[in-house]
Amino acid sequence: QKEVEQDPGPLSVPEGAIVSLNCTYSNSAFQYFMWYRQYSRKGPELLMYTYSSGNKEDGRFTAQVDKSSKYISLFIRDSQPSDSATYLCAIPPSGGYQKVTFGTGTKLQVIP
Amino acid sequence: EAGVTQFPSHSVIEKGQTVTLRCDPISGHDNLYWYRRVMGKEIKFLLHFVKESKQDESGMPNNRFLAERTGGTYSTLKVQPAELEDSGVYFCASSSGTIYGYTFGSGTRLTVV
Repeated sequence: QKEVEQDPGPLSVPEGAIVSLNCTYSNSAFQYFMWYRQYSRKGPELLMYTYSSGNKEDGRFTAQVDKSSKYISLFIRDSQPSDSATYLCAIPPSGGYQKVTFGTGTKLQVIP
Repeated sequence: EAGVTQFPSHSVIEKGQTVTLRCDPISGHDNLYWYRRVMGKEIKFLLHFVKESKQDESGMPNNRFLAERTGGTYSTLKVQPAELEDSGVYFCASSSGTIYGYTFGSGTRLTVV
């Protein structure tokens, strides 16, 4: 079983839609959770990070962690064409925090 | 500040040849990481330098891969001899000390034919 599972999509939505991106993970010891955004031909850039369970909001983006079900989500409100990118969930494994385990990424396209 | 710079951006080589990828981290960042994404798979960790020392090289696939970091500044990743399965995008990242400070380069797209 992979440590982090993510639906690769692609996901196509109209501009203004609410987008929900999701990952599951296997190790209940994981404490930190991150979302990266990757534009085509670019490296990933850190979008948000959360610690333990709960929600974290930053502008149109909300990261949510449900440790009881080992489920993490990223919500994008009022999606814009500029949000079109690949979104990767990422988790530093327990016992180490310097390397990160990535999901496969979900490719999102927001259509004007 | 300048970001993480990787070159070449794209390399096409024949099986059996040698290729060297270079990464220039953000100035002052002691931590430097190499990651790789092969087609259809997730981005995977290769190794981590702290200054010039290898902190964790558990992700290096085999001894055909050699990473160095000269004087704790730039890093090179050499693949010798290259095999078809080495094709993918190689990313370098640097940080000042915590995972939240990770900054990735744009990657080197390696194609082995």
